[in-house]
Order: sequence, then C-alpha cells, then structure tokens
Amino acid sequence: EDKVVQSPLSLVVHEGDTVTLNCSYEVTNFRSLLWYKQEKKAPTFLFMLTSSGIEKKSGRLSSILDKKELFSILNITATQTGDSAVYLCASSNFGNEKLTFGTGTRLTIIP
Amino acid sequence: DAGVTQSPTHLIKTRGQQVTLRCSPKSGHDTVSWYQQALGQGPQFIFQYYEEEERQRGNFPDRFSGHQFPNYSSELNVNALLLGDSALYLCASSRMADPNYGYTFGSGTRLTVV
Repeated sequence: EDKVVQSPLSLVVHEGDTVTLNCSYEVTNFRSLLWYKQEKKAPTFLFMLTSSGIEKKSGRLSSILDKKELFSILNITATQTGDSAVYLCASSNFGNEKLTFGTGTRLTIIP
Repeated sequence: DAGVTQSPTHLIKTRGQQVTLRCSPKSGHDTVSWYQQALGQGPQFIFQYYEEEERQRGNFPDRFSGHQFPNYSSELNVNALLLGDSALYLCASSRMADPNYGYTFGSGTRLTVV
C-alpha cells in the first residue's frame, strides 16, 4: 500500500525564521510528488515534482525531490504570519488516479 | 474562470440518514475526484469519475456512491450515516488529458453526523 509520511507533525517558529518540512514516500510506479497549503478548507497547489535534484521555487518557497532516497523537502525562508497553515504532501503514481496524502505539518508563525 | 464549487458548505445530519454533496469542476476540467479529510488527517481518496463512470475507488464501503453528469459536475452520496463519517469532504477536478495532472480543490463540505 502506498504511504506518505510527513514530519514534523507541527512546528512553531518566529516570523523571519526559515523552516524545512519533510516528506518521505513509499509508492509503486511513482509519478510525482505534490505539495499543497491548506489554510482553512481548500488545499492550494504549491509544487509538483517529478525529477530528482531539480529545485522548484516560488518566492520564498522552494522544494526539491530525491527519488533515490524517496523524500522531498519544502523550504520556506523569511517566514511571515500568512505562512501559518497545514502543509500537505501527496504522491501520485502511474496507472493509479488517486493522490496519497500524508497527515500534514501544521506550521504556526508567531509574530 | 470559476474554480471548483462545492455545496453545501456545512451540513449536519443524524446517524442513519443519507446525504448528497455536490461539486462543479473548474472550467475546462472533465475529471472529478472526491476525498474525505477527518480532523487532523490528510485527505483520503474516495473515488474518481471521468466520462460519467467511476474509474477508481479507494477503501470506502459501498455506502459511499457517486455520480457524474454530462456537464462534468458530480455528486457524492453517503447512506446510513455513521458518526465516523463526520469530516471535510473535498472535491478535486482535473483534465484527464493533462500530462501534468494538476488537481484543483474546492473548499469542501463540512459534514457533521450527530
């Protein structure tokens, strides 16, 4: 059975700090690794990673995938209170239409 | 360009009742997937619809059923509700032909079973 594990489960940091969120996966016929931000209800898409070692960036957020070690990290630099949310990691695989999600990391930014 | 629309936003039902949740996909999307997110957990895949047929199903009992209409909108039906069915139900739409296979999620329906 496909499995995605995120760590830490929760994280509290001060505004301006840099955080790293972790995601490991065990997936057959791996296609991609996705990151979402969930503030209240709708998860919003952050990144989709398919190739190992290629960093994707969007402003203060960046993410990278290691397909050999089966993990991904999401980095957020110069955190702001608006970054407070649950960050979800999900895997997709070929021949299988579903996304398998981890339990998420709850990030709280203290002003 | 409207995103994914779900209705209702909140719902309270009694054990044993039946419920129908609705989803309109993002414009240009033809595939709808449903997820259940219990409190403090990640979303769990229920099933996916494309061309009005269920393409794949997760580990959910037959009490959970769905439908997709010709305009690509979809319904999720849950019969004989249990307390454990209380959760946020998320609909996600996508384009089957899109090789990047990006999902767009709706804001969900919060179902409370009492």
